[in-house]
Amino acid sequence: KNEVEQSPQNLTAQEGEFITINCSYSVGISALHWLQQHPGGGIVSLFMLSSGKKKHGRLIATINIQEKHSSLHITASHPRDSAVYICAARRGTSGSRLTFGEGTQLTVNP
Amino acid sequence: GAGVSQTPSNKVTEKGKYVELRCDPISGHTALYWYRQSLGQGPEFLIYFQGTGAADDSGLPNDRFFAVRPEGSVSTLKIQRTERGDSAVYLCASSLAGNGGGEQFFGPGTRLTVL
Repeated sequence: KNEVEQSPQNLTAQEGEFITINCSYSVGISALHWLQQHPGGGIVSLFMLSSGKKKHGRLIATINIQEKHSSLHITASHPRDSAVYICAARRGTSGSRLTFGEGTQLTVNP
Repeated sequence: GAGVSQTPSNKVTEKGKYVELRCDPISGHTALYWYRQSLGQGPEFLIYFQGTGAADDSGLPNDRFFAVRPEGSVSTLKIQRTERGDSAVYLCASSLAGNGGGEQFFGPGTRLTVL
């Protein structure tokens, strides 16, 4: 069992739909990251959170420390949101190695 | 300002050869990370530098892999006697925080293909 698991692996949506991607982790963490990876490999950090909820534009990330679960939501999805979304857990307060989930391939159709 | 840069963007080599991959972190970032991403998978940790020293190299798969950061800025990942299984995208990231925490900024990666 991977330490960080995401679901679903693949997600296809129509433009405008509300999207949720889930991340569960089995280890103690100090923070959880959500990353976006476009074709060609470039990774962009979307959120880093250790509790509660963060919002940036149409993106919302939540985390429940007790349940070891985080979600990434996209409101009013758009074809340009199509990418791989990866959650990554940061363990401990020093060293900060990230343990990554396998990613969720999101395709938003017009 | 400039982000994290990596060179080369693509590297094709033959089995058994030696390769060096370079990472230029964001200026002033003391923490630097190397990750490896195989096709269809999430990245996996290789090594983490805090300044010039490797604070955690537990992700290096074997002794063919080595990385240096002699002046606490640019880092080079070195792979000896490359094998086909080494083919992957090698990602570098840097972070400002002194204890290695904080947001990590990723480079575009180097795609290594071992024939």
